[in-house]
Amino acid sequence: ILNVEQSPQSLHVQEGDSTNFTCSFPSSNFYALHWYRWETAKSPEALFVMTLNGDEKKKGRISATLNTKEGYSYLYIKGSQPEDSATYLCAPRNDYKLSFGAGTTVTVRA
Amino acid sequence: NAGVTQTPKFQVLKTGQSMTLQCAQDMNHEYMSWYRQDPGMGLRLIHYSVGAGITDQGEVPNGYNVSRSTTEDFPLRLLSAAPSQTSVYFCASSYDRGNEQFFGPGTRLTVL
Repeated sequence: ILNVEQSPQSLHVQEGDSTNFTCSFPSSNFYALHWYRWETAKSPEALFVMTLNGDEKKKGRISATLNTKEGYSYLYIKGSQPEDSATYLCAPRNDYKLSFGAGTTVTVRA
Repeated sequence: NAGVTQTPKFQVLKTGQSMTLQCAQDMNHEYMSWYRQDPGMGLRLIHYSVGAGITDQGEVPNGYNVSRSTTEDFPLRLLSAAPSQTSVYFCASSYDRGNEQFFGPGTRLTVL
């Protein structure tokens, strides 16, 4: 089981502002890093699966970068909208198992 | 495709009772897993399966059993429910261990 830290635990963003937050994980024995978006009363939905050091992925206004050598990933939201309000989970994969962080809860204020 | 389905949505048990949480997927995914979600904690892996007939333990397997007789179904059995098993349970599946996981809607279980 991997020790995964996400920071901050929560953040409030004004509509239209951009924001980013961090996922830290052990750099040894790395296979992949997953990001999921979890809206209240729904199930987690996959955003990205990243495997290579230096990977950058983008989906609409959301993007992510990966540094496997130092063990961190950033998730960016550009021009936040109220529909971006959710908890964002990261999960490094060690062989067969994902280890989820506790998440960063983003609240976008109109 | 229905995706990943879970039944029941809600369940209340008394301490010592047993029950099975059902999970099914219609995407022909090889990899299936069960997680529990507790306040302030990330999703914790209970058991997983890499294919029919193959299961293994995750982070918190005690008190739970699984089996995988078909590709589609992956039931989770609580042998003797305890209040510490009060949680929301999610089933997930993926094409293989490296791909994104698709989550079911969850089962909210309360053990009194």
